[in-house]
Amino acid sequence: GQNIDQPTEMTATEGAIVQINCTYQTSGFNGLFWYQQHAGEAPTFLSYNVLDGLEEKGRFSSFLSRSKGYSYLLLKELQMKDSASYLCAVRDSNYQLIWGAGTKLIIKP
Amino acid sequence: ETGVTQTPRHLVMGMTNKKSLKCEQHLGHNAMYWYKQSAKKPLELMFVFKEQTENNSVPSRFSPECPNSSHLFLHLHTLQPEDSALYLCASSQDYGGGTETQYFGPGTRLLVL
Repeated sequence: GQNIDQPTEMTATEGAIVQINCTYQTSGFNGLFWYQQHAGEAPTFLSYNVLDGLEEKGRFSSFLSRSKGYSYLLLKELQMKDSASYLCAVRDSNYQLIWGAGTKLIIKP
Repeated sequence: ETGVTQTPRHLVMGMTNKKSLKCEQHLGHNAMYWYKQSAKKPLELMFVFKEQTENNSVPSRFSPECPNSSHLFLHLHTLQPEDSALYLCASSQDYGGGTETQYFGPGTRLLVL
C-alpha cells in the first residue's frame, strides 16, 4: 500500500529552527508538496520538490531525497504565526496526491 | 472575490436531511476536487472533475455536481455520524501531469447528528 509518515506533533520556540520530516512509500513518484494549514482555514501551498536537493523560499526550505523516500521542511526564525499543521503530499505514478496526516507545530514564546 | 470559496462554512444536519455544499473557484482553473478531512487522518480524495468525473469509491449518499469549470456542488443525503468532517474543495490548472498545484477553499465543517 501507499503510505506517508510524518510526526503527529512538534513543539519549538519562537526564533528557533525546526525540521519536519516526511517519509513516503508510494507506487511511483511525480513530485512532493508541502502545505501549511492554520486551524479552521484552507491548506495553502508552501513548496514543491521533484528533483533531489534543497529548495529555499525565504524562511522556509524543503529538501528531497528520492532514493531514501524522504523529505523535510525546514522553518527558520520561527514566529508565533507559524503555529499550524504542515501537510506532506506525494504525487504517485497515476498523478494522484497521497497525503500524510499532517504535523501540528506548536510555537512557544 | 478571489481564490476558492466554499459555503456554508459550518453545517449541522440530521441523518435524514438533504443538504448541499457549494464551491466556487475564481482562478480560471480546469480541474476541481472534493476532499474529506477527518481529525488526525490524511486528506481523502472523494471526487475529481476534469472533463469527466472520477469517483474514488465514495458512497452514493455523496453526490457531486459540476455544472461548469468554476462551480462544484456536493449533495448530501442520509449521512451517517461518521461522515462528520471538514469537506474541502480544491482546484488546479490541470490534472493528470505536470507540476500543477492544488488551491484549497476554507472548507465546510459538517456535523451529522
